[in-house]
Order: sequence, then C-alpha cells, then structure tokens
Amino acid sequence: DADVTQTPRNRITKTGKRIMLECSQTKGHDRMYWYRQDPGLGLRLIYYSFDVKDINKGEISDGYSVSRQAQAKFSLSLESAIPNQTALYFCATSDSGTGTYNEQFFGPGTRLTVL
Amino acid sequence: GNSVTQMEGPVTLSEEAFLTINCTYTATGYPSLFWYVQYPGEGLQLLLKATKADDKGSNKGFEATYRKETTSFHLEKGSVQVSDSAVYFCALSDLPGGSYIPTFGRGTSLIVHP
Repeated sequence: DADVTQTPRNRITKTGKRIMLECSQTKGHDRMYWYRQDPGLGLRLIYYSFDVKDINKGEISDGYSVSRQAQAKFSLSLESAIPNQTALYFCATSDSGTGTYNEQFFGPGTRLTVL
Repeated sequence: GNSVTQMEGPVTLSEEAFLTINCTYTATGYPSLFWYVQYPGEGLQLLLKATKADDKGSNKGFEATYRKETTSFHLEKGSVQVSDSAVYFCALSDLPGGSYIPTFGRGTSLIVHP
C-alpha cells in the first residue's frame, strides 16, 4: 500500500462549489504539506503543518483552507471553487528528525477541474 | 528569501546521449539540495540529495555535486534512456535552525527518443 494517499484522484466540479481534498499517510511523519502544480510554474506551497496544532500559510493560501485532523490526516478545502484553481494538487510529508534534511514524500496527486 | 532557478525545458535527447540540467539557488542559510523526479501520472519522488558543500549525490546513474562557490547543483547523466523521460525538479531545504520550508524550481521536462 502507498505511504501517502490522496482522495479523490480526479474531480470535476463547478464554480462556487465547496470541495475537500483528503490526504492520509502511514509514514509516521509529523510534517504535512499541500502543493499546487501548474504547467510552467512548478510546485507552489499552499499550506503546511508541522504538527497537529500547527498550521501555516504558504505562498498561495488565498481561497484555500486546511484541517489537520490527526497526525496522519491533512485535508485541503476550497470554500468556493473558481476556474483558476484548476490544477494538480499534491500532498507531501516529511520527518523533522535529525538527519532527514526535510526530504519530501509525495502522494500521487489529485487532478481538480473547476468549470 | 530562498529561490531555485533551473533551465527551462523541454530538453529533448536521443537515447544514450549525455544529460545536463542546470540548477542554481539562492539561500539565506546552509541548505540541503535535492533533485526530485516526476514520471507521467505520478507524484514526485526523491532522485538524489546532497547536504553539504562538495557532496555528490547519486542514484540510478544520475549525479549532482553541491557547489557552494557557484551556488549550483547541476544534474548529470552519462547515457540517458527512454525510461528517464520525466520532469525533474531541483529543490532546497534549510538545515536545522532554518525554516525547513522547501523551495522548488519550476521543473525541467526531459524527453528521450529511441
């Protein structure tokens, strides 16, 4: 089984709808991240969480919110989806332990289309 | 702030050709450097890393050397294969004491023809 899973893998929705993307991990890592990938723009950080009680905005948090329900679960919500949020979304984890150098472990991605 | 700049793609090569993908960085601290690879339809995965100046990371025939004097971490492979076709991302992360927020380049697409 995959260490970092994302659901759904694909989603098509309409403008104005609320959408939740979910991420679960079995790696036991304390840190979790949400990224967005757009062609030519690379990966941009939306939110990150260093533990269950720690949530931080990333580079492009406007229009998004997150919830860290447990150490293993980190969900991303689009309160009112708009077409320019059409993108590939990745969840990632890392371990804060000494010697890990914050290597990122990525899920398979969720392709979101907002019509 | 930190930033990573990598060459734009796509890079198109014939099988067995030599590959170089350039990556330069700016950082306020003493970062660790990474190359991640994204195969079609998949998430990113770590290809190699280097954690201090002059370190060489290597994996699957790929190599990159941490050059502090030129703030570079160029990816090389002596003989590419069709299966190397993917998008490659250069990234950095601050060492302990820094923010640990990773910074990624925009990615370079590699296409290898038979």
